[in-house]
Amino acid sequence: NAGVTQTPKFQVLKTGQSMTLQCAQDMNHEYMSWYRQDPGMGLRLIHYSVGAGITDQGEVPNGYNVSRSTTEDFPLRLLSAAPSQTSVYFCASRFVTGANVLTFGAGSRLTVL
Amino acid sequence: TQLLEQSPQFLSIQEGENLTVYCNSSSVFSSLQWYRQEPGEGPVLLVTVVTGGEVKKLKRLTFQFGDARKDSSLHITAAQPGDTGLYLCAGANTNAGKSTFGDGTTLTVKP
Repeated sequence: NAGVTQTPKFQVLKTGQSMTLQCAQDMNHEYMSWYRQDPGMGLRLIHYSVGAGITDQGEVPNGYNVSRSTTEDFPLRLLSAAPSQTSVYFCASRFVTGANVLTFGAGSRLTVL
Repeated sequence: TQLLEQSPQFLSIQEGENLTVYCNSSSVFSSLQWYRQEPGEGPVLLVTVVTGGEVKKLKRLTFQFGDARKDSSLHITAAQPGDTGLYLCAGANTNAGKSTFGDGTTLTVKP
């Protein structure tokens, strides 16, 4: 059972470039989410989804797009990367019902020059 | 936006000492989770608490949920170097709600 898989693990971009961070889970979780983690600021929610075809904004959605075409996948797109988006990104998933227990991926470290 | 405040932000202690980490909010949560994160990895669940006043024990770790379900504490007895890591609390106000995270407590246990 792979859990939550994120790719790539590391990425360096130039300002203005675009890229997609991939996230896949094999636990049939309805809920999927993306967080960014910056030093001293904990985890901040970017976007989340409660099921295929449904997405919503979190605390810090600007500069990021998401889509949820399948239950398993929840990619995060940066259309025009900025240095302020340098961070570690985590994808997390859980069942919609029951306690809010998230399973996290290993993270993707993004540097924007 | 519901806020969770963790204290202290940093904690450095000697092996064998006891410590308590606090997670406080002005909001009520239906459940609260504690996670531990090691460098280069994602957070991993330690415990979830759902009932006001609930106490859960995980070996040397004791977790308590406040009676009003607005706060929680994590107490570690006889800390060991293997306890070193970032401890995060997270809460949500409904079972389908978004999880809000505290800023974390970085614990270093020196041999």
